[in-house]
Amino acid sequence: GAGVSQSPRYKVAKRGQDVALRCDPISGHVSLFWYQQALGQGPEFLTYFQNEAQLDKSGLPSDRFFAERPEGSVSTLKIQRTQQEDSAVYLCASSHGQGRNQPQHFGDGTRLSIL
Amino acid sequence: AQRVTQPEKLLSVFKGAPVELKCNYSYSGSPELFWYVQYSRQRLQLLLRHISRESIKGFTADLNKGETSFHLKKPFAQEEDSAMYYCALSSIYGGATNKLIFGTGTLLAVQP
Repeated sequence: GAGVSQSPRYKVAKRGQDVALRCDPISGHVSLFWYQQALGQGPEFLTYFQNEAQLDKSGLPSDRFFAERPEGSVSTLKIQRTQQEDSAVYLCASSHGQGRNQPQHFGDGTRLSIL
Repeated sequence: AQRVTQPEKLLSVFKGAPVELKCNYSYSGSPELFWYVQYSRQRLQLLLRHISRESIKGFTADLNKGETSFHLKKPFAQEEDSAMYYCALSSIYGGATNKLIFGTGTLLAVQP
């Protein structure tokens, strides 16, 4: 495809609602990452998938955050019972392999605003 | 602790002036470092990585392990270089991951 695709681009939700954010990585990319970017900050790692396996979820801030990639392609990040501090841009990135020098390709992100 | 520090939030220069965006890192191992750039209304994209030792759009960056730095340089800034620049470190700690640890970014503004 043309690149990593994320949807929706913008999401507004009321505090307490559940949200789901979608990421469609570049076809054939094994590795998929989710990052959270708060205003004025750099992206911060949330979780990592190698194919369908979630190998690292050390960055998820609470058990309200859940991610899946059931068929090793599209991934969904779900946030339950949203709080105002969840407001941020959520970035998805994919890379072809798992090596440390593999470049990560980013999507446009989903800007989440919790009212 | 693994950390990337970009001390300047904003760097303003005139067109044609030299540019140096500072990046320092803390990592207990052999570092893999990257510079990412985000132009206005565009997605984050890779500018260069230290392992390639390449020059992209006139930018270069040299890894200095003694000073734990990976500063981004360009001899003559252009207006189209105006963007947000992030330095990032690839970390393998915490699992079978090459997650990126980002700095807070430096906004480069090139004045005409």
